[in-house]
Amino acid sequence: DGGITQSPKYLFRKEGQNVTLSCEQNLNHDAMYWYRQDPGQGLRLIYYSQIVNDFQKGDIAEGYSVSREKKESFPLTVTSAQKNPTAFYLCASTNLPSGRGNEQFFGPGTRLTVL
Amino acid sequence: AQKVTQAQTEISVVEKEDVTLDCVYETRDTTYYLFWYKQPPSGELVFLIRRNSFDEQNEISGRYSWNFQKSTSSFNFTITASQVVDSAVYFCALSEEQTGANNLFFGTGTRLTVIP
Repeated sequence: DGGITQSPKYLFRKEGQNVTLSCEQNLNHDAMYWYRQDPGQGLRLIYYSQIVNDFQKGDIAEGYSVSREKKESFPLTVTSAQKNPTAFYLCASTNLPSGRGNEQFFGPGTRLTVL
Repeated sequence: AQKVTQAQTEISVVEKEDVTLDCVYETRDTTYYLFWYKQPPSGELVFLIRRNSFDEQNEISGRYSWNFQKSTSSFNFTITASQVVDSAVYFCALSEEQTGANNLFFGTGTRLTVIP
């Protein structure tokens, strides 16, 4: 089946550790996105990528890093510099060209908890 | 400034009641797109509808209907004869043509609880 997979579903991290969240899509979509969801704040954009080997910061990129070495993969690393990383992380993808208002398709999410 | 406002944080209704979820947006772009997504307890966002700024026709899909009014910058969502399975968090979102990367600006969501 075509879709977006995220792993792991739950992740626990000790303070000071870096962790990497996986996102893979087999929809052949050009663009991929990472969002963070906190209670009562909706979804906020962390990073996005429109093409392989290129990505841009979103609204809350500090303390995060990404890579886009393959079209189908867009992993997110939560670094120790992220002061409050406990949240629900959602990955999404969509087809371009941009400006057509295409809907984004979302993965099932990863819930990260810092111990 | 918040581009998408969902003033209703939580709504509870009894099964079979109708319920309307409000969404007000703000943009200077003349071409833009509005979306509604549903987030059930599992967490994955499910796409419900997309509307572009040039199409103000209301839309009905089964028990769901959407009312788009540019004059009031609103894109409200009504569920008729609500069911327990409609319980979820609903997000309204905006995408602007000028952004170019199809970025979505989300509202803070409305949690709907349908009581059996």
